[in-house]
Amino acid sequence: QQPVQSPQAVILREGEDAVINCSSSKALYSVHWYRQKHGEAPVFLMILLKGGEQKGHEKISASFNEKKQQSSLYLTASQLSYSGTYFCGTERAWSGNTPLVFGKGTRLSVIA
Amino acid sequence: GAVVSQHPSRVICKSGTSVKIECRSLDFQATTMFWYRQFPKQSLMLMATSNEGSKATYEQGVEKDKFLINHASLTLSTLTVTSAHPEDSSFYICSAASGGYNEQFFGPGTRLTVL
Repeated sequence: QQPVQSPQAVILREGEDAVINCSSSKALYSVHWYRQKHGEAPVFLMILLKGGEQKGHEKISASFNEKKQQSSLYLTASQLSYSGTYFCGTERAWSGNTPLVFGKGTRLSVIA
Repeated sequence: GAVVSQHPSRVICKSGTSVKIECRSLDFQATTMFWYRQFPKQSLMLMATSNEGSKATYEQGVEKDKFLINHASLTLSTLTVTSAHPEDSSFYICSAASGGYNEQFFGPGTRLTVL
């Protein structure tokens, strides 16, 4: 079942913050976040596992609330390079190498 | 992170021809690779799971006789679009999982245009 991402699109000025949400109606084992720029392949950002952890590097972080079956990606003090489409990919259980089910994406545009 | 390559990056072909796309994991062995298709401004849709040494597992609605997948080694999977038609024009992306937590790394993608 495809996770639901919100918002669908957001426009920010440089330095502003944004939150992108990813929700599932089913229990999740993990949530993966990717950023894709136009015409390029998705780039792995981070993975969050069941256990309610929060991760981050530099100004991009994420949380995973397994009870709510929801993950949020936090972008702080956004930079022009953050522009792109953000996808969450979900796993319902760990069983080795399994395909991810991706949301429809959130298009982020950062303007000067 | 792990590196996955795809070849070719772009291909234009005539309707009715077949096109082969290669996906390679360059610095790790991938027993499983995944093939996705992405139409403009849409999400990645899984087409099939490619397993080394065995038959691929196709998603519902994906014709296995049209999209032939071969995973001959731990570092190479190929997708052949047979008798391509204009509606097959899309961005085809492969990914491979590396590490214990199923982090997936994507190839750069192949843009197929069928005239």
